[in-house]
Amino acid sequence: DTAVSQTPKYLVTQMGNDKSIKCEQNLGHDTMYWYKQDSKKFLKIMFSYNNKELIINETVPNRFSPKSPDKAHLNLHINSLELGDSAVYFCASSWGASGSYEQYFGPGTRLTVT
Amino acid sequence: QKEVEQNSGPLSVPEGAIASLNCTYSDRGSQSFFWYRQYSGKSPELIMSIYSNGDKEDGRFTAQLNKASQYVSLLIRDSQPSDSATYLCAVTGNQFYFGTGTSLTVIP
Repeated sequence: DTAVSQTPKYLVTQMGNDKSIKCEQNLGHDTMYWYKQDSKKFLKIMFSYNNKELIINETVPNRFSPKSPDKAHLNLHINSLELGDSAVYFCASSWGASGSYEQYFGPGTRLTVT
Repeated sequence: QKEVEQNSGPLSVPEGAIASLNCTYSDRGSQSFFWYRQYSGKSPELIMSIYSNGDKEDGRFTAQLNKASQYVSLLIRDSQPSDSATYLCAVTGNQFYFGTGTSLTVIP
């Protein structure tokens, strides 16, 4: 069983479209995250939810909107996609909201905007 | 200044040698330190976590932390070709920061 899963694995779309990425974890963790990894492999946190509550909201365009229907799921919706949104998006989860907890990553979603 | 800095490499070592990966950080309030391994096209995989000064060993891996010098390192003993990957240093305190990673190649 996959601990942290994401769908889709690949997403190719045109500029201006709206798309969503879904994430689920079966580890029983309380906290989930979205990260963006650009072409230079730099991994940057975007959002973090603890028990469905938004606790980290980094400087990200408001075209990105996370939603957590329950603590096992965290989705990312992106409006009006731009070329610069092309990247790999990783979901992760951990036991607690404190940074002292180890994070476990999903397989990633490679988003390509044309 | 970047919050977490790593030499991008590439770092090449022969099989069986010790690979030494280094990381420095700027936030003195940082409390938790992690090393992740990322194979090309895959997600980061946790290797080690360290929270207090000194060394922590797990199999062939040893993490070293020096908070006074704001320095954390990872030693890989008896390096294997399967260790060839990018190694990411992560530092957390008030914020979460990853380094840009060091690419390691172990030559058979």
